[in-house]
Amino acid sequence: GAVVSQHPSWVICKSGTSVKIECRSLDFQATTMFWYRQFPKQSLMLMATSNEGSKATYEQGVEKDKFLINHASLTLSTLTVTSAHPEDSSFYICSARDNGGGYEQYFGPGTRLTVT
Amino acid sequence: QQQVKQSPQSLIVQKGGISIINCAYENTAFDYFPWYQQFPGKGPALLIAIRPDVSEKKEGRFTISFNKSAKQFSLHIMDSQPGDSATYFCAARPGYSTLTFGKGTMLLVSP
Repeated sequence: GAVVSQHPSWVICKSGTSVKIECRSLDFQATTMFWYRQFPKQSLMLMATSNEGSKATYEQGVEKDKFLINHASLTLSTLTVTSAHPEDSSFYICSARDNGGGYEQYFGPGTRLTVT
Repeated sequence: QQQVKQSPQSLIVQKGGISIINCAYENTAFDYFPWYQQFPGKGPALLIAIRPDVSEKKEGRFTISFNKSAKQFSLHIMDSQPGDSATYFCAARPGYSTLTFGKGTMLLVSP
């Protein structure tokens, strides 16, 4: 149980284009989902917290107009990187918090974004 | 006060040995302490977690030791195996808020 999926697992896009990443909790409901960014050999950096049906809360320094987050259902959140630039290339990981039990937080497998 | 300090940064252990990773925190409001295991190119996987009402939790070869007065918690991996080679992150959060992560420990278990 407690599986979080992400799609795509990797994507290459051209500078100036937009790319959407999907995050799904497959076997539990998640009122709250999180989006992280991770650089090589570094820890996870929280970008934003999204609650189902409401606007995401962005961490300081994260451009909300660049990283659009939508959490339309209890099992799906999306991150859209708009007008991507090479500096947006990174490993993006979503996480979902299980509504039931102890509110454990589970992570997806990550999406490797490369902007050329 | 939100920091979680993790050590060591890297660790090499012989197969069959015990791997020990330590974390320390300042925020006394933290009440949930998970450990995550991450392999290269993959997302972190929840390994084991503890709440401050117990001092130790064991799941298979993995044990969390928790010292509330010292504000420290540690992960012990018994009988370490090459397949345990990964990066381990400790984390903590107050209530149902966001997790604060340590910087990670790269563990290498030599055959």
